[in-house]
Amino acid sequence: AQSVSQHNHHVILSEAASLELGCNYSYGGTVNLFWYVQYPGQHLQLLLKYFSGDPLVKGIKGFEAEFIKSKFSFNLRKPSVQWSDTAEYFCAVRVLSNTGKLIFGQGTTLQVKP
Amino acid sequence: GAVVSQHPSWVICKSGTSVKIECRSLDFQATTMFWYRQFPKQSLMLMATSNEGSKATYEQGVEKDKFLINHASLTLSTLTVTSAHPEDSSFYICSATRDRGSPLHFGNGTRLTVT
Repeated sequence: AQSVSQHNHHVILSEAASLELGCNYSYGGTVNLFWYVQYPGQHLQLLLKYFSGDPLVKGIKGFEAEFIKSKFSFNLRKPSVQWSDTAEYFCAVRVLSNTGKLIFGQGTTLQVKP
Repeated sequence: GAVVSQHPSWVICKSGTSVKIECRSLDFQATTMFWYRQFPKQSLMLMATSNEGSKATYEQGVEKDKFLINHASLTLSTLTVTSAHPEDSSFYICSATRDRGSPLHFGNGTRLTVT
């Protein structure tokens, strides 16, 4: 079935540790890829997006993601996390061959210990 | 930037009543709007796709008779939760786009509590 899969449900890191959150999707055709963050009690905020071109995209707050087409993956990375990065992270895929609907992964809870 | 307004931001209703949530695109014409539901500590689940002037397309498992969606104009879509029950309590979020190639813009969501 078509889906967006985030491998890590709950990640706990210490400050300054490196972060990588996995995201795989199973939609064929042209897609746009996104990572969103949701801080406790707040609304969704766009971290970064990939439409085309350079598969390595940089977003806000030092985050980056790499699109690997052959693996249908779009993993999120940050070299050194901070306590303020504690939040819920969602990968999302926009299926352009359809109505352009945006499908979210299950989300990953990141807890950064000071 | 484009703004999507959702109203109300929160609502409390009694079990068995119906609640209408509005989603408006304030500065662009939205041919398509999407409705999501987010339970606490869970992801956003797409409920339905709403196209202006036509019937909404519901995702599998979403009851179309319970969640009525109307997209009567290019700037307004409404979601009506009919005969609400406590298990319908959730955060409902809409998003809007000019077309499938244009950016998606999210509303701030509506917190529904059914008592």
